[in-house]
Amino acid sequence: DTGVSQDPRHKITKRGQNVTFRCDPISEHNRLYWYRQTLGQGPEFLTYFQNEAQLEKSRLLSDRFSAERPKGSFSTLEIQRTEQGDSAMYLCASSPPRGVNEQFFGPGTRLTVL
Amino acid sequence: ELKVEQNPLFLSMQEGKNYTIYCNYSTTSDRLYWYRQDPGKSLESLFVLLSNGAVKQEGRLMASLDTKARLSTLHITAAVHDLSATYFCAVDEKLTFGTGTRLTIIP
Repeated sequence: DTGVSQDPRHKITKRGQNVTFRCDPISEHNRLYWYRQTLGQGPEFLTYFQNEAQLEKSRLLSDRFSAERPKGSFSTLEIQRTEQGDSAMYLCASSPPRGVNEQFFGPGTRLTVL
Repeated sequence: ELKVEQNPLFLSMQEGKNYTIYCNYSTTSDRLYWYRQDPGKSLESLFVLLSNGAVKQEGRLMASLDTKARLSTLHITAAVHDLSATYFCAVDEKLTFGTGTRLTIIP
């Protein structure tokens, strides 16, 4: 399968714990995006990488959130000291270096904070 | 701040009928995207519209873009049950999404 993959698909954690999600983009895609989607809403942009450089972060991304993309391949999104309001679907997307920036989404990681 | 609005939010329609979903956005943008999302699933890219007057069609779906009016439409022709899903439009390179239109096709 050559699509975007995300791991884990589901994560249940207790408030105050740290969690880390992984995203593997489509090969040759140099742009990688993270979004958050809550029930009944459209996805909201969190952050964006071009190769290994994090070029933009949304104001939604508080200090408890950090994202990395070492070597410009896979990316990780870490949430520290989780809160119940962090419960959401976290989506990763990638797009190729040229063209119209059509983004291809992974299956998402559903986070539940108890 | 870029805002994207869709209407209707919910749409229930009978098989075989035609209908249109509207997407309005607040600031100038040179690209607009349409995505489909099935319940509990991720997003599937449907169309990328890049210029004023652009029209794209795939099966029973047709999307158009009017950049001067800041309006895109997604037209459904002779709806079938398989088209039941939530449809999102999104604007700009970082994808500012609309609220989504939950479409239900009734046999």
